[in-house]
Amino acid sequence: EAGVAQSPRYKIIEKRQSVAFWCNPISGHATLYWYQQILGQGPKLLIQFQNNGVVDDSQLPKDRFSAERLKGVDSTLKIQPAKLEDSAVYLCASSLGSGQAGANVLTFGAGSRLTVL
Amino acid sequence: AQRVTQPEKLLSVFKGAPVELKCNYSYSGSPELFWYVQYSRQRLQLLLRHISRESIKGFTADLNKGETSFHLKKPFAQEEDSAMYYCALRDWGSQGNLIFGKGTKLSVKP
Repeated sequence: EAGVAQSPRYKIIEKRQSVAFWCNPISGHATLYWYQQILGQGPKLLIQFQNNGVVDDSQLPKDRFSAERLKGVDSTLKIQPAKLEDSAVYLCASSLGSGQAGANVLTFGAGSRLTVL
Repeated sequence: AQRVTQPEKLLSVFKGAPVELKCNYSYSGSPELFWYVQYSRQRLQLLLRHISRESIKGFTADLNKGETSFHLKKPFAQEEDSAMYYCALRDWGSQGNLIFGKGTKLSVKP
């Protein structure tokens, strides 16, 4: 099966500019996650979708970050305006969703590395 | 608060030596724990999870609720085991999201 697709792989912007990342999960996966991984740290959840609804966005800095999954398939994460501390790898992951065997095993994309200058 | 601690940032061993990557957790409920691995230039992937009680690539991990630990072990390290290893805890109080530790870089020398 095809994996989780993410683009772009790399992005360099200046502070106060905006950036958007795209993710296409594994076909049939109902749950989609965006994680932020700062250098030297483990991934930290930003937002979780179940189909096209937000399940958890408690750690999303909503003053500058937004995400959507309008049709319950692919998703976009946006940062506007970016700050220096947003430099990180943004990981997208997907899972089948609850109620099925192996439902909560996450499959990760390759990530989008953001550098804010 | 739910937390995962990996005390070692870097672990360096020689090929054929035993390996133990430490993971301790703090969780008020019944824990569900995972080990994820990231090889150089590859994406993060699941290595094993405690509910499966499986051995993957020679690695095992036993959940010790008394010590709140989930250490990853392998009796004889191979050079291809060199990678970043992340311990993760499922937080059912937060929609089942994963809480990751900071990771341990394993370096296996020839």
